[in-house]
Amino acid sequence: DQQVKQNSPSLSVQEGRISILNCDYTNSMFDYFLWYKKYPAEGPTFLISISSIKDKNEDGRFTVFLNKSAKHLSLHIVPSQPGDSAVYFCAASRLLSNFGNEKLTFGTGTRLTIIP
Amino acid sequence: SAVISQKPSRDICQRGTSLTIQCQVDSQVTMMFWYRQQPGQSLTLIATANQGSEATYESGFVIDKFPISRPNLTFSTLTVSNMSPEDSSIYLCSVEVRYKGYTFGSGTRLTVV
Repeated sequence: DQQVKQNSPSLSVQEGRISILNCDYTNSMFDYFLWYKKYPAEGPTFLISISSIKDKNEDGRFTVFLNKSAKHLSLHIVPSQPGDSAVYFCAASRLLSNFGNEKLTFGTGTRLTIIP
Repeated sequence: SAVISQKPSRDICQRGTSLTIQCQVDSQVTMMFWYRQQPGQSLTLIATANQGSEATYESGFVIDKFPISRPNLTFSTLTVSNMSPEDSSIYLCSVEVRYKGYTFGSGTRLTVV
C-alpha cells in the first residue's frame, strides 16, 4: 500500500524554466510534508517542508504547495539550474501515538534532469 | 542540523554472512531511524532505535534479521544478518532535527553475491 505516490519517475526541464514535481498521498492523518533531494552516492538532503495548516511555503527558488482537499503537494523550482539535477523524494509524516515522534513515509522519487 | 557519519559506504558480501553498518551523530539525539532503499523503490523504514531500549520494527522487518544496537545517544548500528541477494539495497540511518526535517547519513550500498 503506497501511501505516498510520485507518479512521474522522471522529468526533464530546460535550464531557467520552472520545474514542477508532484506528489499525492492517501492517508489523511499525515500532517507534515517534506521534500528531499538525493544525489548519487549520497543520502537524501532536506529541502523544504510544509505543515498541514499552511498551503504554501517558500524558500528561495523552492516553493511547496499543499492542497489538502486533493491530498496533493507539489514542489516548484524556479528558475531551474543544472545543479538541481537529482532525485527528489516527497515524504509525509504523522505523530506516532505511542512514541509521540514522527515517522516518515516516502514516495518513490522523481529523477529531475535540467537540460543546459 | 546534525551531521551523521555512516560506514561502510559500500560493501560486497557473500550470501549467508552478516554486515554491520555504523552511524555516528555529532550531537545527542533521542531517536535514530534506519531505512532501506531497494533498487527503484522508495525509502522504507526498517526500525526506530531509542537509546536504552529495544528498537521498534516496522511490519515486515524482524530483530533476528536486522538487529540494532543503540548504546548511547550518538551512535547506532544495524546488522544485516544471514544475507541473501534480496538484501542488496542502500541502507540509511537518519535522525530528526526538530522543525528542520530529518538528516540522513550518506548511505551504505550493499551488494550480496
